[in-house]
Amino acid sequence: EAQVTQNPRYLITVTGKKLTVTCSQNMNHEYMSWYRQDPGLGLRQIYYSMNVEVTDKGDVPEGYKVSRKEKRNFPLILESPSPNQTSLYFCASTQTGGSYNEQFFGPGTRLTVL
Amino acid sequence: KQEVTQIPAALSVPEGENLVLNCSFTDSAIYNLQWFRQDPGKGLTSLLLIQSSQREQTSGRLNASLDKSSGRSTLYIAASQPGDSATYLCAVNTGNQFYFGTGTSLTVIP
Repeated sequence: EAQVTQNPRYLITVTGKKLTVTCSQNMNHEYMSWYRQDPGLGLRQIYYSMNVEVTDKGDVPEGYKVSRKEKRNFPLILESPSPNQTSLYFCASTQTGGSYNEQFFGPGTRLTVL
Repeated sequence: KQEVTQIPAALSVPEGENLVLNCSFTDSAIYNLQWFRQDPGKGLTSLLLIQSSQREQTSGRLNASLDKSSGRSTLYIAASQPGDSATYLCAVNTGNQFYFGTGTSLTVIP
């Protein structure tokens, strides 16, 4: 089954404790992306990757890091989480960035930073 | 920077009514526009994808239109049902990035 998976689905942590949210897709997509969703603000793009070893900042990259060492994986790293990073996070993928294909989304990760 | 707006923010209709959700965007240089459905606390389910060269797409009771030159898209839902209650999001693809509207929360009253 074609899918985007994220882990963990739920996470409660404390300020300053480094964490990683994993994302994996099995569709051989080149383009992957991370979003955060906050009430009243909608989904905002954090980082995206056009291909392996190519990553770029989205609209809200502060406080986040990403890496793309393999095509299927695109982890999101919060090196020193803060309460304003409490949010619902989504990973997504599509065939290529400038393509006419739809985006596929993971199930989401609800992060709470105390 | 692309800005995407969805109006209204919330909509409540009786079951069986036809309805239209609106999405507007400021930059017409897009590859495609995608409509999603999101249930509370859940992920996004893709409903329809319209390419920049297309005028409309249909799937069952859903019809999405695109007027790229005016920066507008509509999602038409025919014969609404209580199961259609959800938040509907539109997203535009500019090539490198995707921009979302804040959504329309739809309630269909039995």
